[in-house]
Amino acid sequence: QKEVEQDPGPLSVPEGAIVSLNCTYSNSAFQYFMWYRQYSRKGPELLMYTYSSGNKEDGRFTAQVDKSSKYISLFIRDSQPSDSATYLCAMSRNTGNQFYFGTGTSLTVIP
Amino acid sequence: ETGVTQSPTHLIKTRGQQVTLRCSSQSGHNTVSWYQQALGQGPQFIFQYYREEENGRGNFPPRFSGLQFPNYSSELNVNALELDDSALYLCASSTLAGVNNEQFFGPGTRLTVL
Repeated sequence: QKEVEQDPGPLSVPEGAIVSLNCTYSNSAFQYFMWYRQYSRKGPELLMYTYSSGNKEDGRFTAQVDKSSKYISLFIRDSQPSDSATYLCAMSRNTGNQFYFGTGTSLTVIP
Repeated sequence: ETGVTQSPTHLIKTRGQQVTLRCSSQSGHNTVSWYQQALGQGPQFIFQYYREEENGRGNFPPRFSGLQFPNYSSELNVNALELDDSALYLCASSTLAGVNNEQFFGPGTRLTVL
């Protein structure tokens, strides 16, 4: 069993839709949870960073962490064609530790 | 403030050869982590360097080795290349002593092994 599971998609939505992306994990020691966006043939770009359980909002993006269910989510409101990319969840046990990534979900926002 | 840079952008090698990839960390960062990202997969942790010492290693064989220099830039060396080593190699820089755990990635080096 992989430590982090993420549905690879692909996911296709119309412009303006609300997008929900999710990851589950098996290691209860994970405390830090991140979402990265990766455009084709580019390095991952940090979108959201959350410590422990709870919600965090930044503009159109909201990250949720439910440690009791070992489940994290990223919501994108008013999705735009420029949001079309692969979204990677990542998590780690301690500050500075290695990151464990999901396989990524490919998202296309259709104009 | 400059971001994370990597060189070269692309590289083609043949089986059995050796390769060196380079990374310059973001200004103010003292930690570099290397990841391998195969096509259609998430990045896999290779190892991390902090103040010129290896500070953690993933499940990669010893033919994957690294260095960190006093200016915190880093190299990834891979010996005896295999076809499965074809991937995007990413480095990420961070500040190990910081409260936050954010790692910032470079654009990657795409390695093709023939």
